[in-house]
Amino acid sequence: GQQVMQIPQYQHVQEGEDFTTYCNSSTTLSNIQWYKQRPGGHPVFLIQLVKSGEVKKQKRLTFQFGEAKKNSSLHITATQTTDVGTYFCAGPTTDSWGKLQFGAGTQVVVTP
Amino acid sequence: EADIYQTPRYLVIGTGKKITLECSQTMGHDKMYWYQQDPGMELHLIHYSYGVNSTEKGDLSSESTVSRIRTEHFPLTLESARPSHTSQYLCASSDGLISGNTIYFGEGSWLTVV
Repeated sequence: GQQVMQIPQYQHVQEGEDFTTYCNSSTTLSNIQWYKQRPGGHPVFLIQLVKSGEVKKQKRLTFQFGEAKKNSSLHITATQTTDVGTYFCAGPTTDSWGKLQFGAGTQVVVTP
Repeated sequence: EADIYQTPRYLVIGTGKKITLECSQTMGHDKMYWYQQDPGMELHLIHYSYGVNSTEKGDLSSESTVSRIRTEHFPLTLESARPSHTSQYLCASSDGLISGNTIYFGEGSWLTVV
């Protein structure tokens, strides 16, 4: 069945450093979404990418959708303690019903 | 932030008790979902609904049941709680079309069964 994989599972980052987390789908996606969940909180929608090769920025976060629309990345520059949390990518399921297939998430820990 | 509400936020109950987790949204979304998530772990879809009087089981088998009598309301019930049901339950909704299936989550219900 359809799978969405994220790497790494855990990311320890020194405050001020950059890092990238990756998302790979076993199927071509019509769009990909990213969510952030703070510790003890609930997932919150960050962004949606639709076009092949699309790049979007939100302040220090840069999101990219691969040319083949099967992978995506999230790059954070100058990491801050407010970036702590788990980042999930998600793509529509192949049944086109309206469900999302979530990756397992990348848990980010920031050390001062 | 979306207008989707869950009650109770935190609950500790004894084994064998019946519990209903409430979820309401004021956005008029047709599609609603229940996810189960252990701390720091993946999101598992356990139930979903694409409208009134429709409910489907999700990818993860669950002993819970759901109902959708009104568009805005999607409660989840456990007839007989067990310690293995201890988890966070997240309700969510989407309009399914306009926002490209973007899902809006409630703040979650943390259930502990002792």
